[in-house]
Amino acid sequence: EDKVVQSPLSLVVHEGDTVTLNCSYEVTNFRSLLWYKQEKKAPTFLFMLTSSGIEKKSGRLSSILDKKELFSILNITATQTGDSAVYLCAVRYYGGSQGNLIFGKGTKLSVKP
Amino acid sequence: NAGVTQTPKFRVLKTGQSMTLLCAQDMNHEYMYWYRQDPGMGLRLIHYSVGEGTTAKGEVPDGYNVSRLKKQNFLLGLESAAPSQTSVYFCASSYATSGTYEQYFGPGTRLTVT
Repeated sequence: EDKVVQSPLSLVVHEGDTVTLNCSYEVTNFRSLLWYKQEKKAPTFLFMLTSSGIEKKSGRLSSILDKKELFSILNITATQTGDSAVYLCAVRYYGGSQGNLIFGKGTKLSVKP
Repeated sequence: NAGVTQTPKFRVLKTGQSMTLLCAQDMNHEYMYWYRQDPGMGLRLIHYSVGEGTTAKGEVPDGYNVSRLKKQNFLLGLESAAPSQTSVYFCASSYATSGTYEQYFGPGTRLTVT
């Protein structure tokens, strides 16, 4: 059965800390891996990764994919209280609708002042 | 450009009642999706549509029906609501994909079935 597993499920840090969120997957016909940030409402898109070893970066956030070991990490440096959210990892696969995603359960990040 | 909108934002139903959730997008996306999100369960796909007039089942379709009569709208129906359908429902849309487009999400509908 296809699955996406995120760890840790929750994390509490202080402002300025650096955090690493993990996403491992077992998905047949992997196509791409996506990271979303979910605050109070709708998930908002962060990154899409399709190739191993190529880092995607946006400000203090960065992510990388390892297709051999079947995982991705999301790094946040110099965390701020505004980074508090649930971070969702999702994997897109070939077959069925090529837009379909399998989501992990998310990592809840709390950043304390 | 409103993106993806959902109505209503909140709803309380009694067991056995029916209702329809409306999703609308103004981005000319071909694909649309309905998810439910429950604590500790992540997002799970209910139904999806790859174009006007076509729908397909996702991971958890039982108890729900959908229709895509217009490209910009995707309706989710509950014919006879059950307490197990208490959840937050998200609609999403994306371009017809070769795997290169992300999904855009609506703000969600919080449904409680008593």
